[in-house]
Amino acid sequence: GQQLNQSPQSMFIQEGEDVSMNCTSSSIFNTWLWYKQDPGEGPVLLIALYKAGELTSNGRLTAQFGITRKDSFLNISASIPSDVGIYFCAGFPSGTYKYIFGTGTRLKVLA
Amino acid sequence: KAGVTQTPRYLIKTRGQQVTLSCSPISGHRSVSWYQQTPGQGLQFLFEYFSETQRNKGNFPGRFSGRQFSNSRSEMNVSTLELGDSALYLCASSPGTSDNEQFFGPGTRLTVL
Repeated sequence: GQQLNQSPQSMFIQEGEDVSMNCTSSSIFNTWLWYKQDPGEGPVLLIALYKAGELTSNGRLTAQFGITRKDSFLNISASIPSDVGIYFCAGFPSGTYKYIFGTGTRLKVLA
Repeated sequence: KAGVTQTPRYLIKTRGQQVTLSCSPISGHRSVSWYQQTPGQGLQFLFEYFSETQRNKGNFPGRFSGRQFSNSRSEMNVSTLELGDSALYLCASSPGTSDNEQFFGPGTRLTVL
C-alpha cells in the first residue's frame, strides 16, 4: 500500500533553533496536511496545502507542497518549549478519500 | 463551531468484553474516519464513513466495526477485546469531498486488562 516516509523520526534541539522535517511519498498527492499532537490528545491541524509549489505559513510554521507532488516539508522557526510534541504529515492521494499518515517526528526542545 | 467530540475519553475493559465508542463530527461534516494509535504502530486507519456508508476500510479484523447515523454521528465497536487492542482511538471529521482538511477529536483511551 501507499506509504509516507517522514524524517527525522525524532530530534532534540535548543530553544531558539529552527527545525525542519519532511515527508515523501511513492505516489502523487493532491493535499498535504501537517498536524501536531500533544501527549494523550488528538492531532491538531497546523497547515493544509493544496497546490504543488504552495508555500504557506502559520505563525512560526512554514510548510511547502513539493513541485513533484510527492513531498512536503515543515519548518519551525525560533523553536520554543511548547513546540514539543509529535508532528505528523498526512497526504490525500489523488482519487481517494483516505488519508495516509507519516510515522511522525518527535520534537524535544532543550531550554 | 464546536469541534469533534468523542465519548468516553477513558475506558477500561477486560479481555473478551466488547466496547462501543462514539464520535460526533463538526456540524456539516459528512465524513468520519476512525484511527487506532499505539506507540509502536503510529496512526493506523480503521475505516471511514460517509453519508451512513462505509467508504474506506483499513486492514483490521472483523472484530472492529462501525456505523454512521443520519446525523453523521458515528460509533465504533470492538468485540472480543484483546490485550493488544489497548490504544488511543481517534476519530476525525471532514466535509467528505476530495481534498478536504480533516479534524481530529481528543480520542478515547482504551485499556484492556
